Amino acid sequence: SQTIHQWPATLVQPVGSPLSLECTVEGTSNPNLYWYRQAAGRGLQLLFYSVGIGQISSEVPQNLSASRPQDRQFILSSKKLLLSDSGFYLCAWANTEAFFGQGTRLTVV
Amino acid sequence: DQQVKQNSPSLSVQEGRISILNCDYTNSMFDYFLWYKKYPAEGPTFLISISSIKDKNEDGRFTVFLNKSAKHLSLHIVPSQPGDSAVYFCAASAMDSSYKLIFGSGTRLLVRP
Repeated sequence: SQTIHQWPATLVQPVGSPLSLECTVEGTSNPNLYWYRQAAGRGLQLLFYSVGIGQISSEVPQNLSASRPQDRQFILSSKKLLLSDSGFYLCAWANTEAFFGQGTRLTVV
Repeated sequence: DQQVKQNSPSLSVQEGRISILNCDYTNSMFDYFLWYKKYPAEGPTFLISISSIKDKNEDGRFTVFLNKSAKHLSLHIVPSQPGDSAVYFCAASAMDSSYKLIFGSGTRLLVRP
């Protein structure tokens, strides 16, 4: 069966510091991978998606970037965090349904 | 531009009664619709889905209805249980969209014992 791992679960970072969130998927090959963000009191916003190694599509302009160095690895990064980057970040892989990781609660202080 | 809308941020129902969660969409290219349930500090979990070729799909206590002409779908939970208390997200995707799911803003359901 397929599993998705996302870490860390919580993160507190100062403004201006870099960010790296990692997501890996097991049990499937060439998955479509996604990064979503849930800001406080809001829905799930699609940030990036990837249909293959090195292929990244950005849905919204922002301070974040994504990379897919391996087939089942998806990384969300920032060079300098902003306060507005705080939120709950979710990695997902999808076939017809999307299956989510446990999420990372990021607080930028 | 919100393509998927859940206009009720919260809903409270008595245990044993029916819960009805609603969702509207604007993009006529959407052809696959899903409902997810989310507890605090956890990732959403898939509940039930429906293809645009159907108007109803049932799975145990959960039924999803799709009205394509109205661009509206709803999730019925019967009977509601306290463990159903969570945030429910409606999502939609379009064919050839790389399975991108566009989510609504969610509805918080509280089932009172």
